[in-house]
Amino acid sequence: GAVVSQHPSRVICKSGTSVKIECRSLDFQATTMFWYRQFPKQSLMLMATSNEGSKATYEQGVEKDKFLINHASLTLSTLTVTSAHPEDSSFYICSAGPGEPSTDTQYFGPGTRLTVL
Amino acid sequence: GEDVEQSLFLSVREGDSSVINCTYTDSSSTYLYWYKQEPGAGLQLLTYIFSNMDMKQDQRLTVLLNKKDKHLSLRIADTQTGDSAIYFCAEKKAAGNKLTFGGGTRVLVKP
Repeated sequence: GAVVSQHPSRVICKSGTSVKIECRSLDFQATTMFWYRQFPKQSLMLMATSNEGSKATYEQGVEKDKFLINHASLTLSTLTVTSAHPEDSSFYICSAGPGEPSTDTQYFGPGTRLTVL
Repeated sequence: GEDVEQSLFLSVREGDSSVINCTYTDSSSTYLYWYKQEPGAGLQLLTYIFSNMDMKQDQRLTVLLNKKDKHLSLRIADTQTGDSAIYFCAEKKAAGNKLTFGGGTRVLVKP
């Protein structure tokens, strides 16, 4: 149980285009999903908290107009990188929670590698 | 300083035990987690410990928590080559569901 998927797993796009990344909880309902960004050989940086049916909460320094988050259902959150630039190239990972209510454990997706040319 | 700190690298021989250490600063942490990340993949939850516990064992994995010193460790018994990966510790604070991650420890298991 507690499987989280992401789509696509890898995307290459041209500078100036927008890219949408999907995060799905496959076998449980997730009222909260989290979006992280990971640079090579670095830790995960929380970008935003996505709440079903309400606006996302962005971390300090994350541009909400550039990284659009939509959490329209209890099993799907999307991250859209708008007008992508090469510096947006990174590994984007989502997580969904709560899984087990007693631990509020977050389960992570396999990640999406974005390369902006 | 960083909220959660880990050593960068650990090299261990196959069959030996590995010990990965983590320190954190927030005494209000409720849960502490260990995640494993293999190259190009997402994070796999290995184990977690509630802050009022001292130890938790799950097969080859043993988690020790010293709440007084804010020190968490993960011991992997009989380390295998498949255990080579980056290991992240993370803390969940009392308020909210956000996790704060350490920088990750790269474990290399040599045959």
